Amino acid sequence: QVQLQQWGAGLLKPSETLSLICSVYGGSFSGYYWSWIRQAPGKGLEWIGEKDNAGGSNYSPSLESRVTLSIDTSKNQISLTLASATAADTAVYFCVRGQGSGANAHPVPFDVWGLGTLVTVSS
Amino acid sequence: QSVLTQSPSMSGTPGQTVTISCSGRSSNIGQNYVYWYQQFPGTAPKVLIYRNNQRPSGVPDRFSGSKSGTSASLAISGLRSEDEADYYCAAWDDNSKWVFGGGTRLTVL
Repeated sequence: QVQLQQWGAGLLKPSETLSLICSVYGGSFSGYYWSWIRQAPGKGLEWIGEKDNAGGSNYSPSLESRVTLSIDTSKNQISLTLASATAADTAVYFCVRGQGSGANAHPVPFDVWGLGTLVTVSS
Repeated sequence: QSVLTQSPSMSGTPGQTVTISCSGRSSNIGQNYVYWYQQFPGTAPKVLIYRNNQRPSGVPDRFSGSKSGTSASLAISGLRSEDEADYYCAAWDDNSKWVFGGGTRLTVL
């Protein structure tokens, strides 16, 4: 059973860089896009971006200029960095298994979620 | 402002059927599958419906999805108190991004 364990700094000052890491355990890492999705307090879900281990990536247009997603296949990890954080970036950030990539016709995107990490940006 | 439009809240009584709607555009719902997620407070969302109307194993058949044109719906029949949660629709947009609805909070009276 696939499990996602995520961690990173929970408190940032404005203008600092948000950095989170997600490790994938118990299942295949390749053949999937791995996404980050966030949820501001009391708000809905916002997709940040996705990346697979074959070099494919997609980003939310509203965040693309500040977001970097990286993959470390040796550790089955995906990381998120978000530059120049502001209070508007305060949210719970989820690492999520997305759609299949390459030959993997995985039909159920966002079927496995990490527990979420609350990141607060405040001076 | 979410790309997909959902009513912010709905309510129903036990046993009733409620339908949650999700409206989009030709670039997302009109051309691609719709997915539905259920979220309880303080927890991660869970997929209820994939590819418009398919249920993952373990999801009760009280939950059903449909799509027509640029709109989609999630129907919950035989409403139960444990169905009280937030519901989100999602779809791939042909501008290379995933988009979500703003969520519908369902209250079981």
